[in-house]
Amino acid sequence: GDSVTQMEGPVTLSEEAFLTINCTYTATGYPSLFWYVQYPGEGLQLLLKATKADDKGSNKGFEATYRKETTSFHLEKGSVQVSDSAVYFCALFNMDSNYQLIWGAGTKLIIKP
Amino acid sequence: DAGVTQSPTHLIKTRGQHVTLRCSPISGHKSVSWYQQVLGQGPQFIFQYYEKEERGRGNFPDRFSARQFPNYSSELNVNALLLGDSALYLCASSREGQGLNYGYTFGSGTRLTVV
Repeated sequence: GDSVTQMEGPVTLSEEAFLTINCTYTATGYPSLFWYVQYPGEGLQLLLKATKADDKGSNKGFEATYRKETTSFHLEKGSVQVSDSAVYFCALFNMDSNYQLIWGAGTKLIIKP
Repeated sequence: DAGVTQSPTHLIKTRGQHVTLRCSPISGHKSVSWYQQVLGQGPQFIFQYYEKEERGRGNFPDRFSARQFPNYSSELNVNALLLGDSALYLCASSREGQGLNYGYTFGSGTRLTVV
């Protein structure tokens, strides 16, 4: 079945550092890919998305490119802030996946001032 | 516009009891999905409803049931609660039935604790 694999956390960075959180997927067909963020004590917020190969999703300085050849959707940000500290989830939606989002386990990001 | 609203925000129940969780989608959204998130893990899919019909079901026991009303709000019911049902229950709504192009908007969740 479909699956999503994320790099394990926590990832600890200093403010203004470059961020990469790796995400790879296994799926049949052409899934849509998403990054969600969960701040402490809150629900999930859609951060960015890409619906076809080579699409780049971007929002709030974060970006990720849908790479079908490497089945990846890595999240990047050029300069992180303390307020970016949260848990980041990579997810996919596939037409054949029983109408569900398939989630990675999440990567906790800690930014130190 | 109001986002996805869930009630209650927190709930404590005893093993064996029944619980009903409620969700109101964003106005104009006809699809509602339910997810269970255990602490430290990614969400697990429970149900999706679209236009009041069940469109998908995850790998959960029959103790879990749901329904969608004519105004597109939804209820998740869990019978015979177990300690392992303690989790954050998330409701998500989508502009169309599949979420393929727009993704899902999540509520803040209901934190259920079973003691």
